[in-house]
Amino acid sequence: GEDVEQSLFLSVREGDSSVINCTYTDSSSTYLYWYKQEPGAGLQLLTYIFSNMDMKQDQRLTVLLNKKDKHLSLRIADTQTGDSAIYFCADGYSSASKIIFGSGTRLSIRP
Amino acid sequence: GAVVSQHPSWVICKSGTSVKIECRSLDFQATTMFWYRQFPKQSLMLMATSNEGSKATYEQGVEKDKFLINHASLTLSTLTVTSAHPEDSSFYICSARSSQADEKLFFGSGTQLSVL
Repeated sequence: GEDVEQSLFLSVREGDSSVINCTYTDSSSTYLYWYKQEPGAGLQLLTYIFSNMDMKQDQRLTVLLNKKDKHLSLRIADTQTGDSAIYFCADGYSSASKIIFGSGTRLSIRP
Repeated sequence: GAVVSQHPSWVICKSGTSVKIECRSLDFQATTMFWYRQFPKQSLMLMATSNEGSKATYEQGVEKDKFLINHASLTLSTLTVTSAHPEDSSFYICSARSSQADEKLFFGSGTQLSVL
């Protein structure tokens, strides 16, 4: 079945860039999403990319998509303490009108 | 951006009682809403897809008689956990698909259910 995988933890120094990686298996993906979840809260859509795009930039966020390798990444420039959260990669495919989430990457910021 | 309101944010109930969770799209119409469940330190698990005016589609392993879903209007879906037991304690999140925003999903803030 469809699967989305991402590493569980990432620790970066404040001010550095964070890169969170994700791989997916479904070849009929339409959208790929990045969500942020702060403790006790729901998900916040950070950004998304159409499957026919290679890159999308939105302020401090850069999404790169390698469709051949089915690899998605989220780069957060100038990481701040407020960026501490769990980041979920999600694969939205048109065939079943639903999305599949990765396990989430917990981003920790150290001073 | 589009807003999805989910209530209540948290609820504590006694074992055997039923709990209703509401999910509303405030400024857009949502023909499709999704209900997820999240266990501690785990990812979201899709429970069911709710389509306005029709029966919900449940994922494998989700008891439809246990988790009743009603999507009576284009802006409201409800999830009722019937005869709740401690193992139903979890974080429940809804999302709504916006046809006016490139079919993107927007999420509610979640409901923490604790069954005593």
